[in-house]
Amino acid sequence: ETGVTQSPTHLIKTRGQQVTLRCSSQSGHNTVSWYQQALGQGPQFIFQYYREEENGRGNFPPRFSGLQFPNYSSELNVNALELDDSALYLCVSSQEGYTQYFGPGTRLTVL
Amino acid sequence: AQKITQTQPGMFVQEKEAVTLDCTYDTSDPSYGLFWYKQPSSGEMIFLIYQGSYDQQNATEGRYSLNFQKARKSANLVISASQLGDSAMYFCAMRGDITGGGNKLTFGTGTQLKVEL
Repeated sequence: ETGVTQSPTHLIKTRGQQVTLRCSSQSGHNTVSWYQQALGQGPQFIFQYYREEENGRGNFPPRFSGLQFPNYSSELNVNALELDDSALYLCVSSQEGYTQYFGPGTRLTVL
Repeated sequence: AQKITQTQPGMFVQEKEAVTLDCTYDTSDPSYGLFWYKQPSSGEMIFLIYQGSYDQQNATEGRYSLNFQKARKSANLVISASQLGDSAMYFCAMRGDITGGGNKLTFGTGTQLKVEL
């Protein structure tokens, strides 16, 4: 039990739609990162938020965006969904230090 | 840029035997951390073990140990006394310099471990 929750657990969308995934971190964790894990692959870093500001981004287009809120919750928004966006999306929270806490993930299917 | 290479897509091991999962890495950061995670079919990512680049001793956590060879840039995971419940995907990951809140993990492609009776 990591204390990180994600919602929804599963989601089905159609191509072109928009989606919002949510994550609730542990109290005091000022860093949240989002990863995309396609089937059979390792997770890929999307972006990171530190004290509500984006401070790192992977090789993902601008239609992937995020927010981090003062109450340690965060969102990942994806616009204009494509079939290749089908994946497991993982939220990871941490305080300054080494321990990173993974959420259980949201499995997104784009039809 | 950081890179993690896991060259074993799949491994089989007999129950109660030891198994080594390979991981090599590449980075220009003088300070970095290496992680191993286990991912069962349910999808949750379970932290197993951590090795800091300046740690003098190899990390151990119960049945897991990390064979860290800095000069060879390798960080192999050794699981002793394998159990059926160890069957899962295993990922090696690296984090670079954490100053300024940087926490990005770079993952390898994973090794699917199957423990047999």
